[in-house]
Amino acid sequence: KAGVTQTPRYLIKTRGQQVTLSCSPISGHRSVSWYQQTPGQGLQFLFEYFSETQRNKGNFPGRFSGRQFSNSRSEMNVSTLELGDSALYLCASSPGDRGSMNTEAFFGQGTRLTVV
Amino acid sequence: AQSVTQLGSHVSVSEGALVLLRCNYSSSVPPYLFWYVQYPNQGLQLLLKYTSAATLVKGINGFEAEFKKSETSFHLTKPSAHMSDAAEYFCAVRGSGGGADGLTFGKGTHLIIQP
Repeated sequence: KAGVTQTPRYLIKTRGQQVTLSCSPISGHRSVSWYQQTPGQGLQFLFEYFSETQRNKGNFPGRFSGRQFSNSRSEMNVSTLELGDSALYLCASSPGDRGSMNTEAFFGQGTRLTVV
Repeated sequence: AQSVTQLGSHVSVSEGALVLLRCNYSSSVPPYLFWYVQYPNQGLQLLLKYTSAATLVKGINGFEAEFKKSETSFHLTKPSAHMSDAAEYFCAVRGSGGGADGLTFGKGTHLIIQP
């Protein structure tokens, strides 16, 4: 079974630009979550999508947004990039139904975003 | 809201020695607990998870963790460290408060293995 696929692996953007990252979950998984990882703040939850709806959201500004498609693939978008947005962005997929709260999240390899 | 504290941002042990990585959680409801490992420039890989079926949980690569409700702890151990265990380790909690909560991670512990 294929794992979680994130594209691109590396990205360099200029301040003020916007960026879109993509995540393809494991087949059959309906939940996709996004996390930001930085040396200073560690791993922080951005948001979670389930069946094309945002189900939960972390404490990030509105510049960070996402969406999920009918095939469960997800994209996250960051507008008006700031230097502080440089991070590893990780996507995780899980079955997502209420009865699977103890099911682990499977992570992709991440997209390394550098804002210059 | 739940939180996780990992004591020690860096832990150094000799090859063959016991590995002990500490994790304490704070949750108002029984939590779901996980340990993940991250190698450089990689995503996170699950080591083990607590599912309430047993307090002692065995994971991959010889790791295990014991859930102690009275101490709100879920420490990770391995009897004998191997050079390949050098990595970043994260303890995570997901609440069972009814919402589809994201994982809350600790700050991570960098495990260094001395030859």
